[in-house]
Amino acid sequence: QKEVEQDPGPLSVPEGAIVSLNCTYSNSAFQYFMWYRQYSRKGPELLMYTYSSGNKEDGRFTAQVDKSSKYISLFIRDSQPSDSATYLCAMSGATDSWGKLQFGAGTQVVVTP
Amino acid sequence: DGGITQSPKYLFRKEGQNVTLSCEQNLNHDAMYWYRQDPGQGLRLIYYSQIVNDFQKGDIAEGYSVSREKKESFPLTVTSAQKNPTAFYLCASSTGQVQETQYFGPGTRLLVL
Repeated sequence: QKEVEQDPGPLSVPEGAIVSLNCTYSNSAFQYFMWYRQYSRKGPELLMYTYSSGNKEDGRFTAQVDKSSKYISLFIRDSQPSDSATYLCAMSGATDSWGKLQFGAGTQVVVTP
Repeated sequence: DGGITQSPKYLFRKEGQNVTLSCEQNLNHDAMYWYRQDPGQGLRLIYYSQIVNDFQKGDIAEGYSVSREKKESFPLTVTSAQKNPTAFYLCASSTGQVQETQYFGPGTRLLVL
């Protein structure tokens, strides 16, 4: 079983809809949670960063962490065609992980006009 | 303008040939990483380096080699022992602290002729 599970999609939504993405994980030691956005044939770019449990909002993006359920989410409100990309969750903080990140497989999102 | 550069953008390898992918950063980061990305599999760690003149194997190091002679540079060699080298290769860097995220380069796509 992978340490971080993420549905690969693709997830297709109409423009203006809310996009809901999530990851589950098995290692309860993870403390730092990230979402990266990756456009086709480009390097991933950091979108959201959250420490421990709780919510964080940045414009149209909201990241949620529920450590008790080992579940993290990313919501994109008022989605735009420019949001079409692959979204990768990542996490760190396990005792032996040093600065290494564990990534999910990535979810491909397609926002149709 | 700080960031990570990778070259070339596309690289072609012939059977039995070693090829080297370049990664340079001017973020003054101590740690650098190499990942391989295949469709539907997320990012897999090949090698990482926490400090100059030191590096560690990641999850899929077989068929690859690295060096870290300068803080700014972390080249990856794909050797002839790597039987399935076709993939998208991503370099990243970070401060190395467990709570710090990683910043990615634009990637190199390696194809086998």
